[in-house]
Amino acid sequence: QKEVEQDPGPLSVPEGAIVSLNCTYSNSAFQYFMWYRQYSRKGPELLMYTYSSGNKEDGRFTAQVDKSSKYISLFIRDSQPSDSATYLCATKGGSEKLVFGKGTKLTVNP
Amino acid sequence: GAGVSQSPSNKVTEKGKDVELRCDPISGHTALYWYRQSLGQGLEFLIYFQGNSAPDKSGLPSDRFSAERTGGSVSTLTIQRTQQEDSAVYLCASSSGPPLPAQYFGPGTRLLVL
Repeated sequence: QKEVEQDPGPLSVPEGAIVSLNCTYSNSAFQYFMWYRQYSRKGPELLMYTYSSGNKEDGRFTAQVDKSSKYISLFIRDSQPSDSATYLCATKGGSEKLVFGKGTKLTVNP
Repeated sequence: GAGVSQSPSNKVTEKGKDVELRCDPISGHTALYWYRQSLGQGLEFLIYFQGNSAPDKSGLPSDRFSAERTGGSVSTLTIQRTQQEDSAVYLCASSSGPPLPAQYFGPGTRLLVL
């Protein structure tokens, strides 16, 4: 079992939809949980990170962590065509390396 | 301010040749990381530098891979005797170091080994 599992999609939604992106992880030592957005042929861009369980909101984006079920979510409200990208979840525990999911490709159709 | 920069953007080489990839981190960031992104494999950690400490090389896939960081700033990733399976996007990231977890990535170097 990989340390971080993420459904690769692809996921296609109409503009204005609420998008839910999810990951599961296996290592209880993970304490930080991050979401990156990666446009085609670009480097990953950090959207937000959370520490331990709970929610964090930034504009149209909400990150949610449930450590009891080892489940990470990113919600995008009022999705826009510019949100079309690959979304990567990542976790970090005691070491400094990030462990990534494989990414979910999202397309928001106008 | 300027972000992480990497060069070259693209590199095509022949099997068996050596390649050097360069990373310029964000000014003032003490931590620097190299990752590899392959089709179907996702992002994989390669190596981590923090200040003057010994680097964490635990992710390097073979002894053909090495990296150095000069003067606590610029880093070079070297792949010797390249193989076709080395074809991937090599990404560099930097951060202000622990305990903050946020890592900021450069645009990557696309390596194709023929």
